[in-house]
Amino acid sequence: GAVVSQHPSRVICKSGTSVKIECRSLDFQATTMFWYRQFPKQSLMLMATSNEGSKATYEQGVEKDKFLINHASLTLSTLTVTSAHPEDSSFYICSATEGGQYNSPLHFGNGTRLTVT
Amino acid sequence: SQKIEQNSEALNIQEGKTATLTCNYTNYSPAYLQWYRQDPGRGPVFLLLIRENEKEKRKERLKVTFDTTLKQSLFHITASQPADSATYLCALDEAGNNRKLIWGLGTSLAVNP
Repeated sequence: GAVVSQHPSRVICKSGTSVKIECRSLDFQATTMFWYRQFPKQSLMLMATSNEGSKATYEQGVEKDKFLINHASLTLSTLTVTSAHPEDSSFYICSATEGGQYNSPLHFGNGTRLTVT
Repeated sequence: SQKIEQNSEALNIQEGKTATLTCNYTNYSPAYLQWYRQDPGRGPVFLLLIRENEKEKRKERLKVTFDTTLKQSLFHITASQPADSATYLCALDEAGNNRKLIWGLGTSLAVNP
């Protein structure tokens, strides 16, 4: 089956530093990748949609200068949380699809637990 | 306002019984509805996708129904096992210019041996 690998699984960083999270589709080409954030007891919130070779589309309320997304190849997308603050602490999950976002299954990575101290 | 609601309380059932989870939505007209399973600290795993013109879909012990009149999807797990214990999420597509998946909060299922 389609596998999405996400690293790191956990990261603790100090306030003001930047953190990069990688998302790779291992056995398929993902023209579109999605970045989600999930707070405890809350639903998945889409942060941005990234297409290979083009700029990411950010959801309303998500700062594109703070959450930098790069989708340089059909198998790799990265999310960089710049100048992280404690309120950025959350569970970040990437997903990818071989087809459209809403009419094809999404394959998720195992998430990255970010803690900013 | 637009809402997608799942059973808010955790569902506890006995092993071997059928678990039924509900996903209700208001002010959406989705063409597709999906169900995922999420274990603690992990990403969701796709289970089933059903289209608006499909009434029912099955996969092994899983069954999904989609009633566009009632604006409801039911997710059934027959012959439940403790390994089925997890949170189950429904997601539907929001039609429009900014079409995307909208997610429910999920229902926590515990299957007791």
